[in-house]
Amino acid sequence: EVQLVESGGGLVQPGRSLRLSCAVSGFTFDDYAMHWVRQAPGKGLEWVSGISWNSGRTAYADSVKGRFTISRDNAKNSLYLQMHSLRAEDTALYYCAKGVLGPVAGHFEYWGQGTLVTVSS
Amino acid sequence: DIQMTQSPSSLSAFVGDRVTITCRASQSIGTYLNWYQQRPGKAPKLLIYAASSFQSGVPSRFSGSGSGTDFTLTISSLQPEDFATYYCQQSFSTPLTFGGGTKVEIK
Repeated sequence: EVQLVESGGGLVQPGRSLRLSCAVSGFTFDDYAMHWVRQAPGKGLEWVSGISWNSGRTAYADSVKGRFTISRDNAKNSLYLQMHSLRAEDTALYYCAKGVLGPVAGHFEYWGQGTLVTVSS
Repeated sequence: DIQMTQSPSSLSAFVGDRVTITCRASQSIGTYLNWYQQRPGKAPKLLIYAASSFQSGVPSRFSGSGSGTDFTLTISSLQPEDFATYYCQQSFSTPLTFGGGTKVEIK
């Protein structure tokens, strides 16, 4: 059974940093691209970032470029999102999602349940 | 960036109705178009990928079609568990982008 379990969310002040993690099981993690997708309260889905199977390629939404860094540890079956200079508009439920074999661009086959990030003073 | 526009943003329908949701891309994306269902309080679930391919386990009443810039998701006979919000997503190029969503409600 495929499982993606996010952690690391919480309440953080504007301008501070936070690191999200996603622990994965049930598939060969290092074969697949992985992604972070977020959803602000009551709003739609927004893709945040993606990373290729071997970390050779990363991509970001313009809204987070230069502030967020995606990474993965294939030995630990884990995906990460380091977030700096957080803003109120980054407040959202952050989902970890399994991508496709190979390229970063693709669909999201499985999703975790999300971890909530609230940016507020 | 490729903009994705869904219509309608919401609709009301009866159980058993045929429902069609459309999604338009701001440029041609071939068949790099995917559909998701999100029930309240739940994570999104992949229904259709590559415009018309079924994700494993998705009921056959769901179907997708289209290519280029115009796509549709059709539910042939709406069931109670289908009341949810539906999103399209393009996977032609990064940044990956979603449509604004279509909320399907009970009439």
